Amino acid sequence: GAVVSQHPSRVICKSGTSVKIECRSLDFQATTMFWYRQFPKQSLMLMATSNEGSKATYEQGVEKDKFLINHASLTLSTLTVTSAHPEDSSFYICSAPGLAGETQYFGPGTRLLVL
Amino acid sequence: AQSVSQHNHHVILSEAASLELGCNYSYGGTVNLFWYVQYPGQHLQLLLKYFSGDPLVKGIKGFEAEFIKSKFSFNLRKPSVQWSDTAEYFCAVSVPEDDKIIFGKGTRLHILP
Repeated sequence: GAVVSQHPSRVICKSGTSVKIECRSLDFQATTMFWYRQFPKQSLMLMATSNEGSKATYEQGVEKDKFLINHASLTLSTLTVTSAHPEDSSFYICSAPGLAGETQYFGPGTRLLVL
Repeated sequence: AQSVSQHNHHVILSEAASLELGCNYSYGGTVNLFWYVQYPGQHLQLLLKYFSGDPLVKGIKGFEAEFIKSKFSFNLRKPSVQWSDTAEYFCAVSVPEDDKIIFGKGTRLHILP
């Protein structure tokens, strides 16, 4: 079946550095991918919709200059957390719809810890 | 490691029928439980969640779920479905000490008008 991968699975960085998270659809193409963030003790929150060939669509309250999204190809979307701070520490997960939107495939997630 | 099983991959019902979608998880400790819905072409939306307290949780759009700890289950129910409930439903679990969330494979619900 279709698989979505994320890399890295876990990253620890110093405050002020930038971190790039990759989301790949491994055996299917995805013109759209979604990026979510899991806040502690809360449910998943949609951050943005990544669109291949055009700008990402950000949800209200999400800083687009801080969370840079690039949908470089039909199988790759990247989320870059710029100038990371400890409050950015979280679990980030991406998803991509399958063919004809018949289902949604989730990546395994990336744990970001900013020291 | 935690895992989530949704046994029904595809469910077809007529309008006004009652709905129950199964969800079981594997983890021996305290868990947080969620049901999400994804309407065609849209992103995930939270239907309801359980963190603690009353094991019968009521969510949006008339949905409810019951946490049965002894059965490691968190089944989703709705007494009377509507055509607009056609969507994919995901059960998810997270551990309070760990903000990682694990999703089930989803159940596609198709309501016949």
